[in-house]
Amino acid sequence: DVKVTQSSRYLVKRTGEKVFLECVQDMDHENMFWYRQDPGLGLRLIYFSYDVKMKEKGDIPEGYSVSREKKERFSLILESASTNQTSMYLCASSLMSYGYTFGSGTRLTVV
Amino acid sequence: GENVEQHPSTLSVQEGDSAVIKCTYSDSASNYFPWYKQELGKRPQLIIDIRSNVGEKKDQRIAVTLNKTAKHFSLHITETQPEDSAVYFCAASKGAQKLVFGQGTRLTINP
Repeated sequence: DVKVTQSSRYLVKRTGEKVFLECVQDMDHENMFWYRQDPGLGLRLIYFSYDVKMKEKGDIPEGYSVSREKKERFSLILESASTNQTSMYLCASSLMSYGYTFGSGTRLTVV
Repeated sequence: GENVEQHPSTLSVQEGDSAVIKCTYSDSASNYFPWYKQELGKRPQLIIDIRSNVGEKKDQRIAVTLNKTAKHFSLHITETQPEDSAVYFCAASKGAQKLVFGQGTRLTINP
C-alpha cells in the first residue's frame, strides 16, 4: 500500500517565518503535488512536479516555492509566512495522474 | 485551464435514501473523472472513477455517470448509511495531467 507521509500534522508559525512542509512517498511515484484545502474552495493546486528537480506552478503559487531534490521527497516552502496562508496543506503522489494517494495533511496556523 | 464546479455544497439525506452530487467541467479534452471521499480528520481517498469512453460505472452502492456532451458527471449513492457522511470531491484531468478539484460537498446522513 502506497504511503504518503507528511512530516507534521499540526504547525503553528509566526508571521514572517520561513516554513518548510515535507512530504515523502515510498512507492517510486514520478508525480507529486501540493494542494491547499479551505472550506468552500475545495482543493487548490499550489505546485506540482513530474520528475526530480522539475517543478511547475499550479493555480495559486504566489507566496510558495517547492523543492524536489529526490524522487521520494517534495517540499513546500513558505518564504515568509502570512496569516492568509493559514490552511490545511495536502500532499499527493501518483504514478500517472490516475489515482492520487494523499498524505494525512498538515494544518498550518500562522499567527 | 480546466474549471470544475460542484453542487450542492451541503446535502442532508435520511438514512436509506439516495444522494446525488453533480459536477460540471469546462475543458472538453478532460477524460478522467475521479471522486474522493474525505471523512472528518482524514485524508481524501479515491472511491470511484470514470474515463471518458464510459458513460456509467457502478461499485456496490455508488455509481458515477458521465455526460460528455453536456460536460457534467454525477455521483450517486443509494441506500445511504451513517458511514457515508463525509465531504466528497469531484475532479477532472486530461490524461496523466494534474487533477482539478471541485469545491466539495458535505454530505450528512440523518438517522
